[in-house]
Amino acid sequence: DSGVTQTPKHLITATGQRVTLRCSPRSGDLSVYWYQQSLDQGLQFLIHYYNGEERAKGNILERFSAQQFPDLHSELNLSSLELGDSALYFCASSAGTTGTDTQYFGPGTRLTVL
Amino acid sequence: QKEVEQDPGPLSVPEGAIVSLNCTYSNSAFQYFMWYRQYSRKGPELLMYTYSSGNKEDGRFTAQVDKSSKYISLFIRDSQPSDSATYLCAMSAAGGTSYGKLTFGQGTILTVHP
Repeated sequence: DSGVTQTPKHLITATGQRVTLRCSPRSGDLSVYWYQQSLDQGLQFLIHYYNGEERAKGNILERFSAQQFPDLHSELNLSSLELGDSALYFCASSAGTTGTDTQYFGPGTRLTVL
Repeated sequence: QKEVEQDPGPLSVPEGAIVSLNCTYSNSAFQYFMWYRQYSRKGPELLMYTYSSGNKEDGRFTAQVDKSSKYISLFIRDSQPSDSATYLCAMSAAGGTSYGKLTFGQGTILTVHP
């Protein structure tokens, strides 16, 4: 158990809908990262927050947004969902923002868009 | 062309074999190199971390980085059935907002049979 929790574990929804994925980082970690894992693209970085502030963005779609709250939990919002958004979404956390900080991954949320 | 290339396998070996997993990369800015292990339906977990070129050993695992060739390897000695998983190489650059962004290889599926 990495100490990172994600809810829900599974999510099934329809095209055009909006969903929210939630992540609670390890106790004491200030950084939260979101990744998307699909069969064709592999594991791809989406966005990084540190202590409530956005630090870096990857190839995150405009339909996707995220935020980190004062209690350090984070939410990833996916809207106008398309079939291609079906994937595993992982949250990871680390203590800081340096290259030596280990990223600990949560168990993921499996999103299925029908 | 992807920044990080990894042979997806699958790789099947008998118990006790030495396993060699490799990744090549194109971004000279990568300074931090990691290997993650991912069991089915779980989040990735960090196995090995190396900064810049060199070797690092941890039990049955050895990580090698050759920055001149842009090539990294993970060796597993005396492989066990419990090593059966997907192995992902990951890298990050140093400086600015790049620290937190991990770029992953596609992952190699390894099966160790008794």
